[in-house]
Amino acid sequence: EVQLVESGGGLVQSGGSLRLSCAASEFTFSNYWMSWVRQAPGKGLEWVANIKQDGSEKYYVDSVKGRFTISRDNAKNSLYLQMNSLGAEDTAVYYCARPQRGYDYGDYDYWGQGTLVTVSS
Amino acid sequence: QSVLTQPPSVSAAPGQKVTISCSGSISNIGNDYVSWYQQLPGTAPKLLIYDNNKRPSGIPDRFSGSKSGTSATLGITGLQTGDEADYYCGTWDSSLSARVFGGGTKLTVL
Repeated sequence: EVQLVESGGGLVQSGGSLRLSCAASEFTFSNYWMSWVRQAPGKGLEWVANIKQDGSEKYYVDSVKGRFTISRDNAKNSLYLQMNSLGAEDTAVYYCARPQRGYDYGDYDYWGQGTLVTVSS
Repeated sequence: QSVLTQPPSVSAAPGQKVTISCSGSISNIGNDYVSWYQQLPGTAPKLLIYDNNKRPSGIPDRFSGSKSGTSATLGITGLQTGDEADYYCGTWDSSLSARVFGGGTKLTVL
C-alpha cells in the first residue's frame, strides 16, 4: 500500500528554521509531482508548495515565498520542506500529498499522517 | 480570507440530501478542475471528487460534483451520521500560480 510518512516537526522559536521530510513507499516516487499542504489548529487547509517529478518546477503560496524551499531526492524516495524565518502564522500540521495521476491536478489521493510544527514567540 | 468561498456550515437530517457550494472566479474555478475533500476529525483529508465530477474508486455514488462557470457544488444524498465532517473544495489559481482551497464547510447530520 502507498505510504507517505512525514517527520521533522516540532517546537521552534520564532525566526528559527526547520526541515520537514516525507518518506514515500510502495509507488514510483519519481513519476509523481508532490505537494505540501498545511492546516493551522482549528483552521482550514492551505496548500503550501509543489514540485515536479524531476524538481525542475516548483510553486509556492505567496505567504511562504522566499522563506520555504521544497525539494526532493528521487533516489531516496523523499520529499522535503526547508522552512526558514518561521513565524507564529506557520504553526500548523504539515501534510505531504500525492496526486493520483502523476501530474498535479489537485487530486491528492494519498496523504501522510501529518507532522505538527509549533512556532513559539 | 480564502480565495474560494464556501458556507461555514450546512446541516440536514439522516437520509436527506445536502449541497455545498464553492464560489470562485475566472482565474481559478473558471479556468481549472475542481476537487473536493472530506476531512473527519483528527484525520488527513480524503479525496471525494476530482475533475469536477469524477469519483475515485471506493467513493459511493451518494457523493457527486458539478461545476458551472466560476462555481462548483458538492452533493451528498442519503446522508449518514458518518458523513459528519469538514468538506473542502480546491483548484488551481492561474493568477496566483498556486493551488487554493475553500475555507471549508462543516456538515452536521442532525
